Amino acid sequence: EADIYQTPRYLVIGTGKKITLECSQTMGHDKMYWYQQDPGMELHLIHYSYGVNSTEKGDLSSESTVSRIRTEHFPLTLESARPSHTSQYLCASSENEQFFGPGTRLTVL
Amino acid sequence: DQQVKQNSPSLSVQEGRISILNCDYTNSMFDYFLWYKKYPAEGPTFLISISSIKDKNEDGRFTVFLNKSAKHLSLHIVPSQPGDSAVYFCAASGWGGAGSYQLTFGKGTKLSVIP
Repeated sequence: EADIYQTPRYLVIGTGKKITLECSQTMGHDKMYWYQQDPGMELHLIHYSYGVNSTEKGDLSSESTVSRIRTEHFPLTLESARPSHTSQYLCASSENEQFFGPGTRLTVL
Repeated sequence: DQQVKQNSPSLSVQEGRISILNCDYTNSMFDYFLWYKKYPAEGPTFLISISSIKDKNEDGRFTVFLNKSAKHLSLHIVPSQPGDSAVYFCAASGWGGAGSYQLTFGKGTKLSVIP
């Protein structure tokens, strides 16, 4: 079973604030991903990384940014949160099948 | 334009009976298919997968069938148990942009197993 962690699990924040969603995995996986999911909808890939210092944008355009300085760590940052950013954010890592973290449910007021 | 479609948003099944969840895809470049299970407030959990070179893969109570000509796959759960109640996502993997393999997900089907 993959060990992949996300913090915080829930975040309620005001408009304009800078936030960082943390994601860490202990499996040594090179590949990591960020997805955004709204209720009743599919998961949309917003960022991915194939290794240290590698980041790419996914299918869904996002105002967030990511970094991959260490293999195990793949944080996502929103410089200025807006209500339209309210969603669930899921981090995953893989060798073959993707293993997901528990998610961060973000609410921007 | 959805490339992976799960046309049934919900499904109710009696405990002990078979649950059949369906998924259709449009992109013929997809070559690997996965099913994930998701409980509320948790991330998706990998359940079972199938490569495009196979038409069936079985793991315990779970079997995935792939019909490439129809671009259709299905997940069979038998016998269904109340603990199977969750949202099931179908996902397909293929060569995406920038030379990468990416997963494309369906919208999910909420399965309710009634005791």
